[in-house]
Amino acid sequence: GESVGLHLPTLSVQEGDNSIINCAYSNSASDYFIWYKQESGKGPQFIIDIRSNMDKRQGQRVTVLLNKTVKHLSLQIAATQPGDSAVYFCAENRGTGRRALTFGSGTRLQVQP
Amino acid sequence: DGGITQSPKYLFRKEGQNVTLSCEQNLNHDAMYWYRQDPGQGLRLIYYSQIVNDFQKGDIAEGYSVSREKKESFPLTVTSAQKNPTAFYLCASSPGLAGGPGGELFFGEGSRLTVL
Repeated sequence: GESVGLHLPTLSVQEGDNSIINCAYSNSASDYFIWYKQESGKGPQFIIDIRSNMDKRQGQRVTVLLNKTVKHLSLQIAATQPGDSAVYFCAENRGTGRRALTFGSGTRLQVQP
Repeated sequence: DGGITQSPKYLFRKEGQNVTLSCEQNLNHDAMYWYRQDPGQGLRLIYYSQIVNDFQKGDIAEGYSVSREKKESFPLTVTSAQKNPTAFYLCASSPGLAGGPGGELFFGEGSRLTVL
């Protein structure tokens, strides 16, 4: 079935390096995407969102890139810090008219000192 | 402070018992949601409500029930019909309709249910 998925379940980076977390989606009708960060035992926190009429959106130390041609979404974190260690989820709205988000399975980011 | 409060944080239940998880928000959001999270997996939508006295089934509604009698409250009942209820349950709300700009989800801290 159609679903949001992730390429890598775990990503390990050195402190100070840039991180790139990838997400593939298969529903071409999806027109809104969000990245969330979840620390252990807590609820997810909003990081950044992007609409399908955009290719790129930047926030503070984070950038989301959207490639609709290959249905690919990525989250770039600049100068990764220990506090960035968490599980990152991408979510899509699937464009079905259902006003709810569908989440992927997540990528764990581990920042090595 | 404004936010979403889930209770209890930890809950143990015997097989065959119903249990109700509380979710309260003081953000004045119209829409509220319940997600289930299993270890190492993403969030799956159980139920959602866009307005008081109205709610819709999500992807895994079987064995669950909800009510939305007040704007600020959206309790979830895990019934004995739910075959594998042990999980981490997350409640969320959104200022607009989730799935579009202005509809980002704000999550509570979750309730961890364990069936003994």
